[in-house]
Amino acid sequence: GAGVSQSPRYKVAKRGQDVALRCDPISGHVSLFWYQQALGQGPEFLTYFQNEAQLDKSGLPSDRFFAERPEGSVSTLKIQRTQQEDSAVYLCASSLATGGPSEKLFFGSGTQLSVL
Amino acid sequence: GDSVTQMEGPVTLSEEAFLTINCTYTATGYPSLFWYVQYPGEGLQLLLKATKADDKGSNKGFEATYRKETTSFHLEKGSVQVSDSAVYFCALKASGTASKLTFGTGTRLQVTL
Repeated sequence: GAGVSQSPRYKVAKRGQDVALRCDPISGHVSLFWYQQALGQGPEFLTYFQNEAQLDKSGLPSDRFFAERPEGSVSTLKIQRTQQEDSAVYLCASSLATGGPSEKLFFGSGTQLSVL
Repeated sequence: GDSVTQMEGPVTLSEEAFLTINCTYTATGYPSLFWYVQYPGEGLQLLLKATKADDKGSNKGFEATYRKETTSFHLEKGSVQVSDSAVYFCALKASGTASKLTFGTGTRLQVTL
């Protein structure tokens, strides 16, 4: 079946613009995660949903970052008033269950955001 | 807080050479440990995992053993292939949490003929 799908694949924004990044998880997956991956670094956790509930948003770097998953499926990560330091690859991941020790995450290919 | 440290790359090897990528971690309790791989142009994929001390994870000829005494989870493969060229990430999941992963910075492996 289809994997985790993210769109757009690339996004160029002028500083100060708002952007919206979309994630379509694998059908039936309960958990959904957003990560930010700066160039040459490992992914860093942003936020976590279990169905439509946002259970952890401790990784969001500022109040300019907002994520939602209103129907427990598709999720959108919104960044307001983008800054150059927001340039990164934004990864979405989903999983079937809700947090066992060996739970497997399935990652999308990411959205590469460049803020000019 | 939790952290993962892995050796810097790139690691360049000839085909059929032995591979070791070092990974050490800092965490409270008993985390689960993972290796993810990112092939060019693709998303991260789980390569192998271990959930408790002395467990050995293995997949596609790669293996790693969870060593609590040295807080390590080194990745090894006896004979690498050109198709193994990718970026490898070590990661941990703290005990008692949802699947929030803490990643290392990644190690790029280049295998040449």
